[in-house]
Amino acid sequence: DADVTQTPRNRITKTGKRIMLECSQTKGHDRMYWYRQDPGLGLRLIYYSFDVKDINKGEISDGYSVSRQAQAKFSLSLESAIPNQTALYFCATSDPGQGKTQETQYFGPGTRLLVL
Amino acid sequence: GNSVTQMEGPVTLSEEAFLTINCTYTATGYPSLFWYVQYPGEGLQLLLKATKADDKGSNKGFEATYRKETTSFHLEKGSVQVSDSAVYFCALASGSARQLTFGSGTQLTVLP
Repeated sequence: DADVTQTPRNRITKTGKRIMLECSQTKGHDRMYWYRQDPGLGLRLIYYSFDVKDINKGEISDGYSVSRQAQAKFSLSLESAIPNQTALYFCATSDPGQGKTQETQYFGPGTRLLVL
Repeated sequence: GNSVTQMEGPVTLSEEAFLTINCTYTATGYPSLFWYVQYPGEGLQLLLKATKADDKGSNKGFEATYRKETTSFHLEKGSVQVSDSAVYFCALASGSARQLTFGSGTQLTVLP
């Protein structure tokens, strides 16, 4: 079984709809991240969480919100979807171990979102 | 702020050709440097990393050396295979939170 799973894998929605993307992990990591990937732009950080009570904005948080329901679950919500939120969304985790092991992130397979 | 610049793709090579994908960075402090690979339809996975100047990361025949003097971390492989076809991302981690900053990615296609 995959260590980091994302649901749904593909989603089509309409402008103005609220949508939630979910991420679960079995790696036992405390740190979780949400990114979006756009062609030619690489990955950009939306939100990250270092533990259940810690939520931080990333580079492009406007229009998004997150919920860390448990150590293993981190959800991303689009409160009112718009077409320029069409992208590939990735969840990732990392282990806050000693030294620099915390830097290596493990990615889910991605959710492809289309906003019409 | 931090930034990563990598060579634009796409890159198309024949099998057994030599590969170089250039990556340069701008960062404060002492960043760690990474190459991630994304195979079609999958998430990113770590290919190799280097955490200090002059370190060489290596994996699956790929290598990259952390060059502080030229702020570079170029990816190389002596003989590519069709199975190496993927998108390659250069990234750095810096700051107290050690967040990743990614380059724009380079699409590699290897032809038989």
